[in-house]
Amino acid sequence: DTAVSQTPKYLVTQMGNDKSIKCEQNLGHDTMYWYKQDSKKFLKIMFSYNNKELIINETVPNRFSPKSPDKAHLNLHINSLELGDSAVYFCASSQNRGLGGELFFGEGSRLTVL
Amino acid sequence: RKEVEQDPGPFNVPEGATVAFNCTYSNSASQSFFWYRQDCRKEPKLLMSVYSSGNEDGRFTAQLNRASQYISLLIRDSKLSDSATYLCVVNLYNQGGKLIFGQGTELSVKP
Repeated sequence: DTAVSQTPKYLVTQMGNDKSIKCEQNLGHDTMYWYKQDSKKFLKIMFSYNNKELIINETVPNRFSPKSPDKAHLNLHINSLELGDSAVYFCASSQNRGLGGELFFGEGSRLTVL
Repeated sequence: RKEVEQDPGPFNVPEGATVAFNCTYSNSASQSFFWYRQDCRKEPKLLMSVYSSGNEDGRFTAQLNRASQYISLLIRDSKLSDSATYLCVVNLYNQGGKLIFGQGTELSVKP
């Protein structure tokens, strides 16, 4: 049983398109995240939600819009895709806003923008 | 200056070697510290927390020096299966518990 699952795993699309990535966790955690890992391997936090409330919103273009319909789901919608959006997007979840330090990551969604 | 800095490597070591990774962090408000491991094309996973007094988990030893804002990870008796990227992570309690990841240090253990 996958704890944090995200779909799709691979996404190849043209510049200018709009795409979504979905994430679900079955761990009963309160907090969910989106991280972006670029070609240089830096993992950067984009957003965090705690019980459906946005608590971390890094400097991310407003083309990126997260949505949390309930605390087990956090989706990411990206409008007007650009070449620089190509990366691996990881969803993660944690208990207690990650203060204990353990994030459980999904397998990642590899986005390629052509 | 990056918030968490690591030598990206790669570190190429023979099986059985001892290898040490270092990490420095810039935000003195950082409250807790961790090492994660990421295998090639996989997701990161927690390896161990880092405590002020230092802590050990089998062949792995983590140390923290708050005065120097420095964290280390020592791996003894390296195994082929230790080949991975090791990510240094700090937790900023004063920013909603945000976890900041370093770039990672790549380790390759050869037979």
